[in-house]
Amino acid sequence: RKEVEQDPGPFNVPEGATVAFNCTYSNSASQSFFWYRQDCRKEPKLLMSVYSSGNEDGRFTAQLNRASQYISLLIRDSKLSDSATYLCVVNPGPSGGSYIPTFGRGTSLIVHP
Amino acid sequence: DAGVTQSPTHLIKTRGQQVTLRCSPKSGHDTVSWYQQALGQGPQFIFQYYEEEERQRGNFPDRFSGHQFPNYSSELNVNALLLGDSALYLCASSLQGAFSPLHFGNGTRLTVT
Repeated sequence: RKEVEQDPGPFNVPEGATVAFNCTYSNSASQSFFWYRQDCRKEPKLLMSVYSSGNEDGRFTAQLNRASQYISLLIRDSKLSDSATYLCVVNPGPSGGSYIPTFGRGTSLIVHP
Repeated sequence: DAGVTQSPTHLIKTRGQQVTLRCSPKSGHDTVSWYQQALGQGPQFIFQYYEEEERQRGNFPDRFSGHQFPNYSSELNVNALLLGDSALYLCASSLQGAFSPLHFGNGTRLTVT
């Protein structure tokens, strides 16, 4: 089983739709979780950190389920500009004193008019 | 507040050559991580530098080496280039610890012919 798994998609949705992505992780000792957005041929940019209690930023909601070892990202009222790849990132806990964030392969979202 | 800067932006090399990529971290960050991203894949961890030492290394051969300088900037060197080394190379800076998210530079797109 891969450390971090995401459905690559693509998810093809109309403007205004609500879409949700899930990401599963294998290491139960993982300590921190993030969602990044990556536009085509650009660098990943931090979208949200994911907290145990769940957190919301405008149209975006992130949740963590430690028991089932997954995190989710919900996007409400999708905009054309939300079209991008969404990367799930898991920090699996210290290894040799360092923390090495591990990326999923990303989920592609296409929002159409 | 300067973000992460990488140079060069693009690079074309031939098989067998050597390449050096450079990265300056975001102001205040002390840790630099390097990732390789092939088309359609998530970023793959190469190595991480903290306090001028390589702290962790991913599953990459010894042809990949690096350095961190006293001002926290970093270099990635790749020797004996192979066609398969063609990818986007991303530098990310952070603070040490599990909860500090990565901040990425624009990346260096390396093409090996």
